[in-house]
Amino acid sequence: NAGVTQTPKFQVLKTGQSMTLQCAQDMNHNSMYWYRQDPGMGLRLIYYSASEGTTDKGEVPNGYNVSRLNKREFSLRLESAAPSQTSVYFCASSEGSGSGNQETQYFGPGTRLLVL
Amino acid sequence: GENVEQHPSTLSVQEGDSAVIKCTYSDSASNYFPWYKQELGKRPQLIIDIRSNVGEKKDQRIAVTLNKTAKHFSLHITETQPEDSAVYFCAASVYEKLTFGTGTRLTIIP
Repeated sequence: NAGVTQTPKFQVLKTGQSMTLQCAQDMNHNSMYWYRQDPGMGLRLIYYSASEGTTDKGEVPNGYNVSRLNKREFSLRLESAAPSQTSVYFCASSEGSGSGNQETQYFGPGTRLLVL
Repeated sequence: GENVEQHPSTLSVQEGDSAVIKCTYSDSASNYFPWYKQELGKRPQLIIDIRSNVGEKKDQRIAVTLNKTAKHFSLHITETQPEDSAVYFCAASVYEKLTFGTGTRLTIIP
């Protein structure tokens, strides 16, 4: 049981390049999330998916797109990377009861992205 | 949207003393309040959480209190140990979305 996994662990991009960050969970969770973490700013929600086939914007969605490929996988895409997107990106998942009550979120190990 | 403020941003305590971190939230609909611990270069990990129908919860040396009227909640760590040194984040949840505080860097002085 690996929990939440992310690839790659580290990536360097040039401004304007594109890339996709991958996330997968093996806990049969319904909800999945993408966060970015910047120094002094905590974790900020980029996008989330309450269930397979649905996605919604979070606090900082500009410059990103997501795909909930199936129940296990939730990818984050940067179409044209900018230096402001240099950050550590965390994926998370939770059971997601759909009742409005939050369940524990479990985080992946993170992807460190540097945009030059 | 929800806004979570966390204080202090840094905290140093002598080993064996207690540490208290405080958070306030803005949305009265928030109903779940977790605390995460993050060690350098690692992922955030849940250490304790509390729901809005409970005023206090304790797990060994860690406790969390919630005051819904004042919209604030606190993390208490007693008998601190060197392994407690980390960054701690509070969060508040509305409709299954978490909003995080900006973190507290806790340093335990041997």
